[in-house]
Amino acid sequence: QKEVEQNSGPLSVPEGAIASLNCTYSDRGSQSFFWYRQYSGKSPELIMFIYSNGDKEDGRFTAQLNKASQYVSLLIRDSQPSDSATYLCAVKYTGNQFYFGTGTSLTVIP
Amino acid sequence: DTEVTQTPKHLVMGMTNKKSLKCEQHMGHRAMYWYKQKAKKPPELMFVYSYEKLSINESVPSRFSPECPNSSLLNLHLHALQPEDSALYLCASSHWGSYEQYFGPGTRLTVT
Repeated sequence: QKEVEQNSGPLSVPEGAIASLNCTYSDRGSQSFFWYRQYSGKSPELIMFIYSNGDKEDGRFTAQLNKASQYVSLLIRDSQPSDSATYLCAVKYTGNQFYFGTGTSLTVIP
Repeated sequence: DTEVTQTPKHLVMGMTNKKSLKCEQHMGHRAMYWYKQKAKKPPELMFVYSYEKLSINESVPSRFSPECPNSSLLNLHLHALQPEDSALYLCASSHWGSYEQYFGPGTRLTVT
């Protein structure tokens, strides 16, 4: 069964702090992992993807993957109020099947 | 051009109506997707098209009928829907096997 779990939050952090978002997945056949940001009433927007164990950095964002623990995380450094959104973890399987976690609501407090 | 367009933006239909949602992309992507998203829930995969052929149907009721007439267009035909089918319907596209999936803005569907 392809389950993707996230802490639904809400997660609140002060402006300038590090926000840490976590995701676990159940199927070891998972190929690659994605973080999307979704503002209220808008469609998901891809932030990062990762497919190898370890860290991947892009600007203020760092994705971390641990396949042995079936765990993927997203760190947002120097959080800004504009980062306030729902963050969706997604997992890709063969056949281009994407499954999404329930999302974590993040609020950055000015 | 990294845009996926969807029409209409909003749709209100009765349970006996037949309507269609349209999705278009001109990025040369050969994988196209339909998702359904209810309020405060994640997107749920409905259908995947690969090179204009239906490759995945996630046990979606037959009142939803997808169609991919060419590599740029994806339709979702709706018939005899139920009020619980009211949701945001998202279209997405990607290169086959690619990591980057682009979403359209969605169609907000209300079934009365």
